[in-house]
Amino acid sequence: GAVVSQHPSWVICKSGTSVKIECRSLDFQATTMFWYRQFPKQSLMLMATSNEGSKATYEQGVEKDKFLINHASLTLSTLTVTSAHPEDSSFYICSASTGTGGNEQFFGPGTRLTVL
Amino acid sequence: KQEVTQIPAALSVPEGENLVLNCSFTDSAIYNLQWFRQDPGKGLTSLLLIQSSQREQTSGRLNASLDKSSGRSTLYIAASQPGDSATYLCAVRRVGSWGKLQFGAGTQVVVTP
Repeated sequence: GAVVSQHPSWVICKSGTSVKIECRSLDFQATTMFWYRQFPKQSLMLMATSNEGSKATYEQGVEKDKFLINHASLTLSTLTVTSAHPEDSSFYICSASTGTGGNEQFFGPGTRLTVL
Repeated sequence: KQEVTQIPAALSVPEGENLVLNCSFTDSAIYNLQWFRQDPGKGLTSLLLIQSSQREQTSGRLNASLDKSSGRSTLYIAASQPGDSATYLCAVRRVGSWGKLQFGAGTQVVVTP
């Protein structure tokens, strides 16, 4: 149980295009989902927290207009990187939790984004 | 602001030796602490979750201790195997943080045959 999937697992795009990454909880309902990014050899940095049916809460320094997050259902959250640039290339990981206060988080396998 | 530090940053041991990985945090008002394993280019696998009221958790060859008052957690891996080679991350969830996890930078472990 407690499986989280991400799609796609990797994506290459041209500079200026938008990319959507999906995060799904497969066998439980995720009230809260989190989006992280990870640069090579570095740890995970929280980008935003999303609760189903409400606007995402972004961490300081994260551009909300560039990283659009939608949590339309209890099993799906999407992250759209708008007008992607090479500096947006990174490993994006989502996690899902069953409680609003945050019980154990279950992590997806990650999405490798490369912007040319 | 909560800061999480992991020492050492990298560790190489021969197969069969026990591994000791350290994690320290500056704010003792935590809800829980979690240890993860990350293989290159992959997501995170949860290893152990210790609630703030607990002193330790065990799973197979893994044992994690928590000393909240001193802001420390230690992950012990007994009788290491080459398959244990990975990066190990600790993360703390602060009280009142709405589930947000603060991660350490990780310890990269290599177990040589």
